[in-house]
Amino acid sequence: DGGITQSPKYLFRKEGQNVTLSCEQNLNHDAMYWYRQDPGQGLRLIYYSQIVNDFQKGDIAEGYSVSREKKESFPLTVTSAQKNPTAFYLCASSIFIRDRGLSAFFGQGTRLTVV
Amino acid sequence: AQKVTQAQTEISVVEKEDVTLDCVYETRDTTYYLFWYKQPPSGELVFLIRRNSFDEQNEISGRYSWNFQKSTSSFNFTITASQVVDSAVYFCALSESNYGGSQGNLIFGKGTKLSVKP
Repeated sequence: DGGITQSPKYLFRKEGQNVTLSCEQNLNHDAMYWYRQDPGQGLRLIYYSQIVNDFQKGDIAEGYSVSREKKESFPLTVTSAQKNPTAFYLCASSIFIRDRGLSAFFGQGTRLTVV
Repeated sequence: AQKVTQAQTEISVVEKEDVTLDCVYETRDTTYYLFWYKQPPSGELVFLIRRNSFDEQNEISGRYSWNFQKSTSSFNFTITASQVVDSAVYFCALSESNYGGSQGNLIFGKGTKLSVKP
């Protein structure tokens, strides 16, 4: 089945450690995104990539890094510089179809907890 | 700049009541897309609807209906005869998009938590 797969579903990190969240899509979408969700805050954009080997910072990129070496994959690394990393992380991909518009799809999310 | 405002943080209704979730947006683009997503307690975002800025027709899908009004920059969502299974957080989102193909990012409102009590 086509879709977006995020792994792991739950992740625990010790303070000072870097962790990498995986996001893979087989929808052949060019654009991919990472969002962070905190209670009552909605979804905030961390990074996005509209093409392989290129990515842009979103609203809250500090303490995070990404790579886009393959169209299918957009991993997010939460570095030790991120002071409050405990949150729910959602990956998305999108495609723009002429005359139909933008379609965006989300993974099931990764819940990261700092212990 | 883009902005999406969902002024209702939480709404609680009794089953079978109708409920409307408000969404107001800001954008300078003439071409843009509006979305509603549902987030049940499990966390995944479930796509409900996409509306293009050049299509102001309202839409009905079963118990769900959407009212898009460009004059007031609003895209409200109504659930008729609500059910307990409708309990979730609902997000409105906006994307500006160049018709030539470049893709804008999805900007989300803060969400409205709907609780439907039996």
